[in-house]
Amino acid sequence: QSALTQPASVSGSPGQSITISCTGTSSDVGSYNLVSWYQQHPGKAPKLMIYEGSKRPSGVSNRFSGSKSGNTASLTISGLQAEDEADYYCCSYAGSRGGVFGTGTKVTVL
Amino acid sequence: QLQLQESGPGLVKPSETLSLTCIVSGGSVSSTGYYWGWIRQPPGKGLEWIGSIYYSGSTYYNPSLKSRITISVDTSKNHFSLKLNSVTAADTAVYYCARRVGGPYYFDFWGHGTLVTVSS
Repeated sequence: QSALTQPASVSGSPGQSITISCTGTSSDVGSYNLVSWYQQHPGKAPKLMIYEGSKRPSGVSNRFSGSKSGNTASLTISGLQAEDEADYYCCSYAGSRGGVFGTGTKVTVL
Repeated sequence: QLQLQESGPGLVKPSETLSLTCIVSGGSVSSTGYYWGWIRQPPGKGLEWIGSIYYSGSTYYNPSLKSRITISVDTSKNHFSLKLNSVTAADTAVYYCARRVGGPYYFDFWGHGTLVTVSS
């Protein structure tokens, strides 16, 4: 099944804001407000950062925020910090197809 | 605190069956509203959802893998398992088990992952 499309890489300087897009279709992102975002540091398991499009789990910094417009979801990291350097994946519920992950985005802090 | 731990062989021969178990501690696989799933990540690549199971035994599989996978749950042992048959080198990956929150559909607790290599 087709993965959601994310930019391969995004970079920013400390303190800046960056946005990662996650583009799907009307069968997944566009149909459900059930997009989640995961942060993955090298050699580690993914960590939930955002769920239901814009909700933050307890313990996740409010520098992370999510939104959606049409078939595209977005994750914004404000006040970029060195510890934010990691891979980020979106995931959307896709009905009968279950869960579909994005292609992943490597965030680099310059 | 909920913890998940994958266990199983790290090396599987081509055409054979990959078998992994996820041991759940600090919580119960029988908890209502939670599903138990498997996700994999080939080396250097992205995440792929494999499938999920509810404690009742209801299963949900990735259509692209459905013909080769079986996910089961053992509530008495508080664990769930994955079997993937007819493996090839393309199935080489880190396999993660995770808890999925039902309706909102997100994975909130993950195991550390286990690398399974398919090679003769």
